[in-house]
Amino acid sequence: DQQVKQNSPSLSVQEGRISILNCDYTNSMFDYFLWYKKYPAEGPTFLISISSIKDKNEDGRFTVFLNKSAKHLSLHIVPSQPGDSAVYFCAASGGSSNTGKLIFGQGTTLQVKP
Amino acid sequence: DTGVSQDPRHKITKRGQNVTFRCDPISEHNRLYWYRQTLGQGPEFLTYFQNEAQLEKSRLLSDRFSAERPKGSFSTLEIQRTEQGDSAMYLCASSSGQGARYQETQYFGPGTRLLVL
Repeated sequence: DQQVKQNSPSLSVQEGRISILNCDYTNSMFDYFLWYKKYPAEGPTFLISISSIKDKNEDGRFTVFLNKSAKHLSLHIVPSQPGDSAVYFCAASGGSSNTGKLIFGQGTTLQVKP
Repeated sequence: DTGVSQDPRHKITKRGQNVTFRCDPISEHNRLYWYRQTLGQGPEFLTYFQNEAQLEKSRLLSDRFSAERPKGSFSTLEIQRTEQGDSAMYLCASSSGQGARYQETQYFGPGTRLLVL
């Protein structure tokens, strides 16, 4: 039962353009969502988060949008830079669990071409 | 603040051997989580500690796995009688414990990559 899904395994964009990474979830009780970035052989690095009471959160080049009715969130990176090339994971918490454990998607590999 | 640290970074062992991993969370973080990541997948939750109390364990955590967090500081994850299917990256994360309704950021360590031959 994959509660958080990232349906695009990979994405390639040109430097300076916008990168849009998508994530869908099935559990309507999730109330907190996060995006992490991961380089090979390293642990995930936190990027940005959003609470279910909001529909948008912005931090520099990164913006996360949440559409609760569609159970969909997206991460926009503008402008994309070659250093953004990594695997991006969305994660959700809440639901029936009261421990804050994160449920992750499978990840999307982003390649930003110079 | 040095972040979450894990030791060792890599471990190669033979099937049937026991292994133990250590995680040092960010100082004064009350909450500590263990996850496991296999190739091509996102991290999967294993277990959660609030201070020294282990409050949740995943069904993934078979009876060969045990975790402790004595005195609410560092944590250890032990795997007994390792199997080839245990080969994975084991990740530790911590959070401050101050966030409302657990809406707070978890900070991850670099992970321990386990290979069982």
